[in-house]
Order: sequence, then C-alpha cells, then structure tokens
Amino acid sequence: AQSVSQHNHHVILSEAASLELGCNYSYGGTVNLFWYVQYPGQHLQLLLKYFSGDPLVKGIKGFEAEFIKSKFSFNLRKPSVQWSDTAEYFCAVNGPSSASKIIFGSGTRLSIRP
Amino acid sequence: KAGVTQTPRYLIKTRGQQVTLSCSPISGHRSVSWYQQTPGQGLQFLFEYFSETQRNKGNFPGRFSGRQFSNSRSEMNVSTLELGDSALYLCASSLVSSEGETQYFGPGTRLLVL
Repeated sequence: AQSVSQHNHHVILSEAASLELGCNYSYGGTVNLFWYVQYPGQHLQLLLKYFSGDPLVKGIKGFEAEFIKSKFSFNLRKPSVQWSDTAEYFCAVNGPSSASKIIFGSGTRLSIRP
Repeated sequence: KAGVTQTPRYLIKTRGQQVTLSCSPISGHRSVSWYQQTPGQGLQFLFEYFSETQRNKGNFPGRFSGRQFSNSRSEMNVSTLELGDSALYLCASSLVSSEGETQYFGPGTRLLVL
C-alpha cells in the first residue's frame, strides 16, 4: 500500500541551526512529491513540489528538498532556521496520473527557540 | 485570484445531527479534495471530485459523503455525527499543469461535536 513516513514527530532547534526533516515514501512508479507547511492558526501552504527534472528543488522562504529516488526519500532542508519557521510540516506524495490521490505523512512539528 | 474558500469556518453540533460543509475552489480548478485533520490521526484523505464525479475515496464510513456542482463548488455531508468526527475539515482544489497536479488548501472548517 502507498504510504508516507515522517519519522521526526517533533523537532526542537535554536535559531540559526540547520534543519533537515525526513520523508520516505512507499509508492510504485513515478511520483510527484510535495512539502506543505501549516503555521500556527493558519491553513496549509505549499512550500515546494517536485514533478520531474532537477532532483534538488528550491521552495519559498529558503527551503529546499532533494528527491533521492534510490532511497525513496524527499527530505526538507533549510540552512539556517528562524523563529518564524515554527510550524507543522507535511510531506505528501501522489502518482503522476491526475486520478491519483495524494497521501500525506503524519507531519513534523518544528519548534524554534528564539 | 481568490483562494479556496470554505464555509462555515466554525461549527458546533451534537451527536446524531448531520452537517454540510461547503468549499469553493480557485477559479478554473476542476478538482476538489476533502481531508480530515485531527491531532491523533493527522491528515486523512476523504474523497476527491472532478467534473462532478467522485474520482477517489478514502477509508471513511458511508456517513461521509460529498458532491460537486457544475461550477466546481463542492459540499461534504456527514450524517449521524459522532464525537470522533470533531476535526478540522480541509478542502483543496487542484491545478493540473503540464508538469503535474498541485493542490491549494482552504482555511478549513473546524467542527466540534458535543
């Protein structure tokens, strides 16, 4: 069955620390990959997406993610986090067909100490 | 362009009642998906509609149903409400491009069942 795993449930970092959030998926065939962010009291927003091409994807607010097909991974990174990055982060995957439903990971809560 | 809108934003119901939630997608988007978000289960896919037809369905009981109208607006209905139905219900509309499909989320309807 298709699934998405985010192994870090809660990550606590100090400002200026580097961030890497893990995402592994189980999905046969070609995939589209997404990272979404939900800031406190706000709705889900798209951070970045990968469909094809360069496996290193740049998103908004200085985030990037790397698709490693051999590892079935799409980890999210940011070189230096800010207090305003405090939020919940969701990885999601779906197949290439527009009829494929998107599957979300359980989310990683990121807390930044000022 | 206006984003995805959902009404109402907050709702309080009692067990046994039924509820209807509404979602207006971004103009031009023909696909609408519904999700349930709870602290314990995270984001779970309910169903997806495309051109007034249900295209995908998640693992929810038949008490959860939906429909889509010719203008792509969608409604979700939950009958015989249970305490466990208390959640944030998110709607997302999708844009299909030559690259793939990207979902854009609304602010959600927070349902409390007493």
